Amino acid sequence: EAGVTQFPSHSVIEKGQTVTLRCDPISGHDNLYWYRRVMGKEIKFLLHFVKESKQDESGMPNNRFLAERTGGTYSTLKVQPAELEDSGVYFCASSPRSRGLQFFGPGTRLTVL
Amino acid sequence: ILNVEQSPQSLHVQEGDSTNFTCSFPSSNFYALHWYRWETAKSPEALFVMTLNGDEKKKGRISATLNTKEGYSYLYIKGSQPEDSATYLCALHLGDSNYQLIWGAGTKLIIKP
Repeated sequence: EAGVTQFPSHSVIEKGQTVTLRCDPISGHDNLYWYRRVMGKEIKFLLHFVKESKQDESGMPNNRFLAERTGGTYSTLKVQPAELEDSGVYFCASSPRSRGLQFFGPGTRLTVL
Repeated sequence: ILNVEQSPQSLHVQEGDSTNFTCSFPSSNFYALHWYRWETAKSPEALFVMTLNGDEKKKGRISATLNTKEGYSYLYIKGSQPEDSATYLCALHLGDSNYQLIWGAGTKLIIKP
């Protein structure tokens, strides 16, 4: 069974540019989560999808971040325009149940210069 | 603001020695505690999900205990090997309608050959 995949693995962009991260969850997992880890700090929750609906987006930092999950399959996280403080590793996870074990992707390392 | 604390922040252990580290969390509204093992550039790997006070779980040389009344969990590694070098993360699930994981900053374990 394929695990959670994320694309790209790395992205280096300049301040003010737009970046779109993609997450493909494990097939059949209704729950999809986005997290972010800024260097040296703890992982922070961004948002949670159940199928195509946003269950909880309380962790989204501001309106420069937009997450979508059309059709309840893969998800995208767009940052527009990117700022320096957006640098970090963006993780995606999926799970079959809302409070169950979460399976993580390898993350996208975003660097904003 | 809820805090999940992990200590120590980093740990150097001689190969063959056993070690342990701590995750502390607020004991109220507890639902579950997750332990993950994370090597940079790889997916965080789920080790344990613990829900009941007094739970003890084991996976090979790694084991964990849970005390929900006093709000802590210990992770033990017996006979450390170089491949155990990683960051060990704990994360808390609360017992409310919020399904996000609240993360500690991790313990970075380095095994010296």
